[in-house]
Amino acid sequence: KAGVTQTPRYLIKTRGQQVTLSCSPISGHRSVSWYQQTPGQGLQFLFEYFSETQRNKGNFPGRFSGRQFSNSRSEMNVSTLELGDSALYLCASSRQGSEAFFGQGTRLTVV
Amino acid sequence: GESVGLHLPTLSVQEGDNSIINCAYSNSASDYFIWYKQESGKGPQFIIDIRSNMDKRQGQRVTVLLNKTVKHLSLQIAATQPGDSAVYFCAENTGSNYQLIWGAGTKLIIKP
Repeated sequence: KAGVTQTPRYLIKTRGQQVTLSCSPISGHRSVSWYQQTPGQGLQFLFEYFSETQRNKGNFPGRFSGRQFSNSRSEMNVSTLELGDSALYLCASSRQGSEAFFGQGTRLTVV
Repeated sequence: GESVGLHLPTLSVQEGDNSIINCAYSNSASDYFIWYKQESGKGPQFIIDIRSNMDKRQGQRVTVLLNKTVKHLSLQIAATQPGDSAVYFCAENTGSNYQLIWGAGTKLIIKP
């Protein structure tokens, strides 16, 4: 079956702009989590959605938001982009209580 | 706060030797642990997991050991190959929610 799909793969934005990233989970997976990964850093948890509800949230400013649709697809939005938002954004889907499967990520560069 | 940390940020191993990657966790309530491998330009890939009611689990060329007494997790890779070059992350879950808590990662370098 198809894996986790993230679009777009690469994105270049200007400071102050906003961006929306998309994630399509594995069929049957209702949990979708988002992570930020900066060079040489680990994975920083952004938020997790389950059945269209945000169930967990990491320690990121309110400029970072997300949502999940009834088909479990998820989007995350970053408003008023800053240079420090440049990172690889990873989406992971899972069945409840099991391992997470990651997409290839969206590489966001803010200039 | 809760944290998962790795002892060594970089590990160099001779091809064919065994690799051991270590991870410490601080939350004694964690009951599920996972190891992921992330190759350059790719998302993390699941390797192996273990629940707290076990202290050892084996996969293909990999073994995870869990020592709950000292809150330590390790990943052993047998006969390390060039394709094992990657960053390895451990993650834990307390079971109270479904958020994984991640370590910083260890970069495994294979010497020919």
